[in-house]
Order: sequence, then C-alpha cells, then structure tokens
Amino acid sequence: GAVVSQHPSWVICKSGTSVKIECRSLDFQATTMFWYRQFPKQSLMLMATSNEGSKATYEQGVEKDKFLINHASLTLSTLTVTSAHPEDSSFYICSATEFGAYGYTFGSGTRLTVV
Amino acid sequence: GENVEQHPSTLSVQEGDSAVIKCTYSDSASNYFPWYKQELGKRPQLIIDIRSNVGEKKDQRIAVTLNKTAKHFSLHITETQPEDSAVYFCAASRGTGNQFYFGTGTSLTVIP
Repeated sequence: GAVVSQHPSWVICKSGTSVKIECRSLDFQATTMFWYRQFPKQSLMLMATSNEGSKATYEQGVEKDKFLINHASLTLSTLTVTSAHPEDSSFYICSATEFGAYGYTFGSGTRLTVV
Repeated sequence: GENVEQHPSTLSVQEGDSAVIKCTYSDSASNYFPWYKQELGKRPQLIIDIRSNVGEKKDQRIAVTLNKTAKHFSLHITETQPEDSAVYFCAASRGTGNQFYFGTGTSLTVIP
C-alpha cells in the first residue's frame, strides 16, 4: 500500500531558530500533499495544501511567511517553521494522495517542541 | 466551506458492546467520507470509507452508514475490544485531490 515517510519524528529547537520537516511518498507520486497541525486532544487542523510545482495554498489564519512549504518534486514536500517560538510547539503531520485516488496516506508526524 | 460536526466527543463502552459515532456535514458536494483511527502520538490510520453512491459499507466489525439527504454518516463498531480504544475522526471531502475536513474527534474507551 501507499507509504508516506515523515522526518524527523520529533525535534526540540531553541526559540528563534528554524526547523524543516520532510514528507516523502515512498511508493507513489504524490500530486497533492497536505500539512496539518494537531494540538493535544484536538482534531487535525489543515494548514496548507501543496501541489507539485506550484505555490502552496494556505488556510486562513496560517502565516505563509512563517510556515514555508515547498513541493518541488512528486515525492517530496517540506514544511519549514521559521523563527520558531514556543507557541509553535505542536504535532505536525502531512498527508499525500496520488492523482485520481480518493484516500490519503498520513505521515508518522513530527512532534516539535520549541524551548 | 465544509463544516463537519462529530458526536460524542468521548465514549466509554464495555468490552463486547457496540459503539456508534455520528458526524454531520454541510457541503452537499462532499462525496467521500473516510473514518480514521488515531492512537496517542501516532498517525491517523484509515479504517473504513464510503463514497456517496452507496448507503452502507461493512468490514468485519466495522460499518459505516451514509444518509446523503440528511447529510450525516455514522461509524458502527460491534463487539468492541480494548484495542479499539483510540480517537476516531470522521472526514468529508469533495473527492480526488480535494482536502479533507475533519470532525473534532471521538475518544473511545473500551472497558475490559
């Protein structure tokens, strides 16, 4: 079945630094990838939709200059949290879908802690 | 945009009993409704899904029903087991390539 790999699984960084999270589709070409943020005991909140080769579409309220998304190839999307602050601490998770498919496959998630 | 509501937020059942989680959606153009199970700190896993051209789908102890007219769909788990304990999310989508709109989640606890 479709496999999505996400790295790192957890990261601790200092306030003011940037963190990059990678999401890779291992056995299919992901025409669309989605980035979600999840706070403890809450639902998945869509941050942005990225299509290969084009700019990401951000949800209302998500700062595009803070959460940089790049989808340069059909198998890789990256989320960079720039100038991270403690309030950015959260569980970030990506999902990917192949063209024509209904279902999405989720990555394993990244626990970001900003200290 | 789509608005998906999910109830209840928490559910406790005795092992062997059935559990039902309900969701409603607002966008009549939504045509794909997956259900995900998420264990603490892990990725959501698809457990069952249904498209709008069918009213019910079953996979062993898990079933999903869809009422397009009323815009609601439900997850039914029979003969619950402790390993069914997790958070369950419903979602609605307009189909291929479109984003999912997730419900707020239901924390299911199966008491041995």
